[in-house]
Amino acid sequence: NAGVTQTPKFQVLKTGQSMTLQCAQDMNHEYMSWYRQDPGMGLRLIHYSVGAGITDQGEVPNGYNVSRSTTEDFPLRLLSAAPSQTSVYFCASSPIGLPRDNEQFFGPGTRLTVL
Amino acid sequence: AQTVTQSQPEMSVQEAETVTLSCTYDTSESDYYLFWYKQPPSRQMILVIRQEAYKQQNATENRFSVNFQKAAKSFSLKISDSQLGDAAMYFCAYRYSGAGSYQLTFGKGTKLSVIP
Repeated sequence: NAGVTQTPKFQVLKTGQSMTLQCAQDMNHEYMSWYRQDPGMGLRLIHYSVGAGITDQGEVPNGYNVSRSTTEDFPLRLLSAAPSQTSVYFCASSPIGLPRDNEQFFGPGTRLTVL
Repeated sequence: AQTVTQSQPEMSVQEAETVTLSCTYDTSESDYYLFWYKQPPSRQMILVIRQEAYKQQNATENRFSVNFQKAAKSFSLKISDSQLGDAAMYFCAYRYSGAGSYQLTFGKGTKLSVIP
C-alpha cells in the first residue's frame, strides 16, 4: 500500500498560471479531502468528496476546483494562481461508515509558491 | 460552526519530563470525535490519539494521554517522559459524528520543543 500520494512535492507558479495538484489513494477510501496549511492558521478545509461524482465545498473553497471521477483520485485545480494561494496543501482520505472514528490518512503535502 | 482553539502557540519541555498541551472547542453537538495530530519537521501528519465524546474514560496511547472534560469543552494532551522525537507541531481537531460528516476542524497548532 502506497497510502495517500501527492504530486508534485514542490511547485513554483507565477500569478495567473493554472495548475493541478494530484492526489491518489490505494486504500479504496470513499472520503477524500484537501486542506491548506498556512503559518499560524492550522489546516483549513478547501473541498471534500464522499465518493466518485460527489464533491462539496469546505471552509476556504474560493479559487479552487475539484472533481472526483474515480474512487482513487481527487485532483485540486488552481484556475488562476494568486500569491494568497502560497501554502502547503494536504490531501487526506478515510473510509466512511463504521467505525465512525475512522482515522484520516494524510499525504506528504505539496508546497506551492505563487510569485 | 464549531471552532477549535489552541492557546499555546509554542511550548518547551525538558527531555524525560511531562508536558500538557491545551485545546478547547466550541460545538452545539453532543456526539463528536476529538483528535490530536503530530506534525514533525517532515511535514507528515500523524494521528497521536483520538477520543469519542460519549466515552467518559480518557484515551491513552503509550506515553500520550488526554484529559477530556466534556462540560468544559476541553481536550488537553499530556506527553509523559518526553523524548527528542516528540518535538513537532501538535494539532487538535474536532469532527462531528453525525451521518455523512467527515470533515475535520483543526486548531492553529502548538509547536513543542524538547530540550536535551
